[in-house]
Amino acid sequence: DAGVIQSPRHEVTEMGQEVTLRCKPISGHDYLFWYRQTMMRGLELLIYFNNNVPIDDSGMPEDRFSAKMPNASFSTLKIQPSEPRDSAVYFCASSRGLTEETQYFGPGTRLLVL
Amino acid sequence: AQKVTQAQTEISVVEKEDVTLDCVYETRDTTYYLFWYKQPPSGELVFLIRRNSFDEQNEISGRYSWNFQKSTSSFNFTITASQVVDSAVYFCALSEALNYGGATNKLIFGTGTLLAVQP
Repeated sequence: DAGVIQSPRHEVTEMGQEVTLRCKPISGHDYLFWYRQTMMRGLELLIYFNNNVPIDDSGMPEDRFSAKMPNASFSTLKIQPSEPRDSAVYFCASSRGLTEETQYFGPGTRLLVL
Repeated sequence: AQKVTQAQTEISVVEKEDVTLDCVYETRDTTYYLFWYKQPPSGELVFLIRRNSFDEQNEISGRYSWNFQKSTSSFNFTITASQVVDSAVYFCALSEALNYGGATNKLIFGTGTLLAVQP
């Protein structure tokens, strides 16, 4: 089976621009997670979905960040407007369950906001 | 609150040496799950192992072994006869089974240990 797919792998944009990150979870996985990794804060959970419904978005840094999951095979994380401090690696992960099941991560999107 | 501590920020060894990466966790729950992930220089996060709190048996997979000790809240990872390809950042992570006060059962990661294996 294919793993979690993310696109783009790299994104360079200018401050103020809209950025959209995409994720395709592993087929059959009911949970989808968005993480951000920075040197300062490490790996932090932004939001997660269960059966396409957002369950907990308490990790979303501010209103500039939004995430959607229109169907079981696709999710987006959008930043509008982007700022230099949003520069990070964004990971998408999926799992069959919440706590007891393993989360499998995508390759990540490396975002640089100039 | 749940917490994962990886006190070793960086470890450098020479190829063929054995190396142990430490992981200490804190949790209120009696049912929880522990994980190790590897992040090689290419950046992806690779799952290595999952262990539940009721299974204290150590596990061995090739050159990798894991020592789970509830008495000391530790879940240490040993690489035997290290190789250059083992060079990566290794993360320990914890998730709890119960939902306390509406809090999300998040997968909490440690800060990672950078392992450099020199040829």
